[in-house]
Amino acid sequence: DIQMTQSPSTLSASVGDRVTITCRASQNVNNWLAWYQQKPGKAPKLMIYKTSTLESGVPSRFSGSGSGTEFTLTISSLQPDDFATYYCQQYNSYWTFGQGTRVEVK
Amino acid sequence: QVQLVQSGTEVKRPGASVKVSCRASGYTFNDYGISWVRQAPGQGLEWMGWISGYNGQTNYAQRLQGRVTMTIDTSTRTAYMELRRLTSDDTAVYYCARGPLSGLDVFHFWGQGTMVTVSS
Repeated sequence: DIQMTQSPSTLSASVGDRVTITCRASQNVNNWLAWYQQKPGKAPKLMIYKTSTLESGVPSRFSGSGSGTEFTLTISSLQPDDFATYYCQQYNSYWTFGQGTRVEVK
Repeated sequence: QVQLVQSGTEVKRPGASVKVSCRASGYTFNDYGISWVRQAPGQGLEWMGWISGYNGQTNYAQRLQGRVTMTIDTSTRTAYMELRRLTSDDTAVYYCARGPLSGLDVFHFWGQGTMVTVSS
């Protein structure tokens, strides 16, 4: 099984900050990497897939990059609606999620 | 529009079974699969398995093999997930999500979640 490791587990930031979350895979996932946003009591929401493709309706302040085993999610200017937990997911071999990164108010 | 509507909250005793449903609308059911994902309180997301909406072929996460069964009813466009021999570790919100029929794809659409509580 492919294991996914995110860092940090918690990130404290302010509105307007540039935020970066890292996700590492235990083996090459060939850019089949997605990011989801989840708010309390809600289902996850797809934000980015295929490493860097924004899902329809997702603001352009979100971006994804990386290759092979190391990937990043960047929020260029954090907005109030962005405080949430973010999960990476590999789908090169079935599906595995990272443990999540909680973005909280500093 | 694509919608996945799940059944309601369940409370079960340890050792019992639970069956959660996920009714799909807004797309051709046979053209996609359904995955099930669960989330224990305060924890992350765990993929449980996948079922083909075309022929009911399944693939389960290894750690749940032998305890989980996923089925579909194409006449009602409904997917089911049954989990047996429940323990307190199975207390979680269970989500269905639309996935690919084959190949590599993500979960663009999710159900609203079903809370399953296992308690004596």
